[in-house]
Amino acid sequence: ETGVTQTPRHLVMGMTNKKSLKCEQHLGHNAMYWYKQSAKKPLELMFVYSLEERVENNSVPSRFSPECPNSSHLFLHLHTLQPEDSALYLCASSQDEDSYNEQFFGPGTRLTVL
Amino acid sequence: AQKVTQAQTEISVVEKEDVTLDCVYETRDTTYYLFWYKQPPSGELVFLIRRNSFDEQNEISGRYSWNFQKSTSSFNFTITASQVVDSAVYFCALSEAPRQAGTALIFGKGTTLSVSS
Repeated sequence: ETGVTQTPRHLVMGMTNKKSLKCEQHLGHNAMYWYKQSAKKPLELMFVYSLEERVENNSVPSRFSPECPNSSHLFLHLHTLQPEDSALYLCASSQDEDSYNEQFFGPGTRLTVL
Repeated sequence: AQKVTQAQTEISVVEKEDVTLDCVYETRDTTYYLFWYKQPPSGELVFLIRRNSFDEQNEISGRYSWNFQKSTSSFNFTITASQVVDSAVYFCALSEAPRQAGTALIFGKGTTLSVSS
């Protein structure tokens, strides 16, 4: 595997379910990100991890819970979601915290909440 | 506050036409970085280019070229002789001066480019 991978690619869940999204980067990067991409809206940053520590949480509802067990893996745990949470969830990584480093994105998980 | 505006929601062209995607940004910082990403139907964003605020030289890479003008806070992207494979959503993004740890990209809403044969 190369680059940034995400599983599953598609997920359909009910509002009472609990599921997790997984992201793995094979680039040796130190920073990882979760973004939400909804239709007709800009990408929204959700969480930033640098060296496995959460450094940014953009007022994301508590029904989204991130976890970064090591610098290569990032999870997004989901529980009691709402239909408006349906979106494409993108994971990204970058070399480190410097803003001039480009972020490399995974293919995303298309989430549908029924 | 920082903001990125891509006024063109959708653009449709025929193969071999040139097309320019507009990007206007707002920031109070004097040091910042601008990016363009391409999102094909497969979903992942593909990095195209990065410019820093001190380098206003235009750049050309094959059929792609970028025009950075600080005076108008614009960073426009031109595809010459467009091809069907250029069909995608293109995002312009802004990143401000390095912060302590982790840096977010501020994205525009994207421009959907459709190139027909």
